[in-house]
Amino acid sequence: AQSVTQLGSHVSVSEGALVLLRCNYSSSVPPYLFWYVQYPNQGLQLLLKYTSAATLVKGINGFEAEFKKSETSFHLTKPSAHMSDAAEYFCAVRGGAQKLVFGQGTRLTINP
Amino acid sequence: GAGVSQSPSNKVTEKGKDVELRCDPISGHTALYWYRQSLGQGLEFLIYFQGNSAPDKSGLPSDRFSAERTGGSVSTLTIQRTQQEDSAVYLCASSSLSLAGSLDEQYFGPGTRLTVT
Repeated sequence: AQSVTQLGSHVSVSEGALVLLRCNYSSSVPPYLFWYVQYPNQGLQLLLKYTSAATLVKGINGFEAEFKKSETSFHLTKPSAHMSDAAEYFCAVRGGAQKLVFGQGTRLTINP
Repeated sequence: GAGVSQSPSNKVTEKGKDVELRCDPISGHTALYWYRQSLGQGLEFLIYFQGNSAPDKSGLPSDRFSAERTGGSVSTLTIQRTQQEDSAVYLCASSSLSLAGSLDEQYFGPGTRLTVT
């Protein structure tokens, strides 16, 4: 069975600083991995996805993630945080029957 | 084009009442999913419809929960005899088949916030 673990339920960074949100996965088959963002009172928006092509995946809003099989990781990064990045971020792996299995989420706070 | 829409956006109901939540997927998307987001359990898969195939109901938490999809489009999630632990945000998502024949990424609606008093 597939699963993901997000390290850190809350991350706080200063505006302009590096954003690093950690995700480790467990999968018995080559995984399809996703990062979603959720702004307050809104649904989930896809940031980026890994589907076994390039290991460095670029997404929207300046985010990117690197798939590292040896570390079973898919960490999300952004070089310079903006106030508008404050939201909750979810890592997910596609499980059986196409369903998504989500991590517990990481709430990102940006300090001015 | 329009995204996934859900109604109502908020629903407050008394314990023991039945509720129906509606999802309109993106036009042309063959797959439809329901998830539940709650404080204690995070985001959980509930049920998945794909075309005319039998739905995958493996995530439904009890037999009080059911869902149907009419005409391969609109879906309704029904919760009978609601309990306080059913309070959550119910999210619907849809996806289409990629050129390679696999399912593409899921697009989510804004959710229905259900509060059971």
